[in-house]
Amino acid sequence: DQQVKQNSPSLSVQEGRISILNCDYTNSMFDYFLWYKKYPAEGPTFLISISSIKDKNEDGRFTVFLNKSAKHLSLHIVPSQPGDSAVYFCAARKTGGGNKLTFGTGTQLKVEL
Amino acid sequence: EAGVVQSPRYKIIEKKQPVAFWCNPISGHNTLYWYLQNLGQGPELLIRYENEEAVDDSQLPKDRFSAERLKGVDSTLKIQPAELGDSAVYLCASSLVAGANNEQFFGPGTRLTVL
Repeated sequence: DQQVKQNSPSLSVQEGRISILNCDYTNSMFDYFLWYKKYPAEGPTFLISISSIKDKNEDGRFTVFLNKSAKHLSLHIVPSQPGDSAVYFCAARKTGGGNKLTFGTGTQLKVEL
Repeated sequence: EAGVVQSPRYKIIEKKQPVAFWCNPISGHNTLYWYLQNLGQGPELLIRYENEEAVDDSQLPKDRFSAERLKGVDSTLKIQPAELGDSAVYLCASSLVAGANNEQFFGPGTRLTVL
């Protein structure tokens, strides 16, 4: 039962353009969402998060949007840079879950020159 | 500040052999997590410790997997005996405390190959 889904295994964009990575979830108890970025041979690193009481959170070039009614969130990267090429994981957590994260399967982003 | 340290980084063993992974969390982090990441999948939680207590081990296959965090600092995850399907990356993470919006910091992982 995949509670967090990233339906696009890969995405390719040109440098300077916008990258949009999508994530869907099924468990309505999730109330906090995170994006992690992972380079090869490294562990995931935290990128940005959003609480379910918000619909947008912005940090520099990265913005996360949350649509609770659709159980959908997206990560926007503007402008995309070659160093953004990595695997991006969406993760979700629920209150009382002890900080347990449920991850999606990841999206491989490639930013081309 | 040092991040989460894991060793070994890579391990190749034959099936039915035992294997152990070690993790040293970030200093001061009370909560430690072990995750399993299969190829093409996201990390899945195996066990979570708060200090030396395993507070969530519901996803740990207890017939062959065991873990310990004796002094509430570093931790060891063991598989005995290993099976072919155990080939994966084993990630360790730590955070200040659980139950709050505290970021989990991940180590680089141990890539296990079972032949």
